[in-house]
Amino acid sequence: GAVVSQHPSRVICKSGTSVKIECRSLDFQATTMFWYRQFPKQSLMLMATSNEGSKATYEQGVEKDKFLINHASLTLSTLTVTSAHPEDSSFYICSARALGGQGARGGNEKLFFGSGTQLSVL
Amino acid sequence: QKEVEQNSGPLSVPEGAIASLNCTYSDRGSQSFFWYRQYSGKSPELIMSIYSNGDKEDGRFTAQLNKASQYVSLLIRDSQPSDSATYLCAVKRLVYGGATNKLIFGTGTLLAVQP
Repeated sequence: GAVVSQHPSRVICKSGTSVKIECRSLDFQATTMFWYRQFPKQSLMLMATSNEGSKATYEQGVEKDKFLINHASLTLSTLTVTSAHPEDSSFYICSARALGGQGARGGNEKLFFGSGTQLSVL
Repeated sequence: QKEVEQNSGPLSVPEGAIASLNCTYSDRGSQSFFWYRQYSGKSPELIMSIYSNGDKEDGRFTAQLNKASQYVSLLIRDSQPSDSATYLCAVKRLVYGGATNKLIFGTGTLLAVQP
C-alpha cells in the first residue's frame, strides 16, 4: 500500500523559533497534499491544501504567513511553523492524495496519512 | 451547525457486542464518506469508505449511508478490546468549482470495548 512519511515525529522548540515538518509520498506521486492540525481530544482541522507547483490554499482563520507551505515536487510538501508560540503546540498531520492506479485500491482516489508530528513549543 | 457531527462518547460496549457509531453531515453536496480509526497519538487509518446509499460490508465492519437523511453510520460486529479507539467520520465535498476537494472530519467518537 501507499506510504506517506512524515518527519519529525516529535519536536520540542523554544518560543519564537521556526519548525519545519516534511511530508513525503514514498511510492506514489501526490499532486495534492493536505495539512491538518489536531488539538487534544479534538478532530482534525484542515489547515491548507497544497498543490504541487502552485501556492497553497489556506482555510479560513489560518495565517498563511505563519504556516508556510511548500510543495516543490510531486513527492514532497513541507510545513514551516514560523515564530512558534505555545498556542501552536499541537499534533500536525499531513495527507497525500493518490490518484487512481497509484497506491489507490480499486482505482478510486485515496488519502494516505503521515504518522503525524507532535509539536511542543515551550 | 458543524459540517460533520458525531457524538464524542465515550461509547462503551462489552466484548463481542455490536458497536454502532453515528455521524450526520450538513452539506447535501457531499460526495463520499469515510470512517477512520485513530489510536491516541497516532494518525488516522482508513476503515471504510462508502459512496452510495445502503450498506457496505467489509469483515466485521458495515458502513451505512442514507443521503436523504444525511446520515452515515459504522457498525462493528463482535467488538474486540483492540477496537478501542476514536472513530472519525469524514465527508468529502467538492470545492473550488470542482477543481479539488477536501475531507471534513467530525470530532470523533471514542469507543471503549470492555473485556
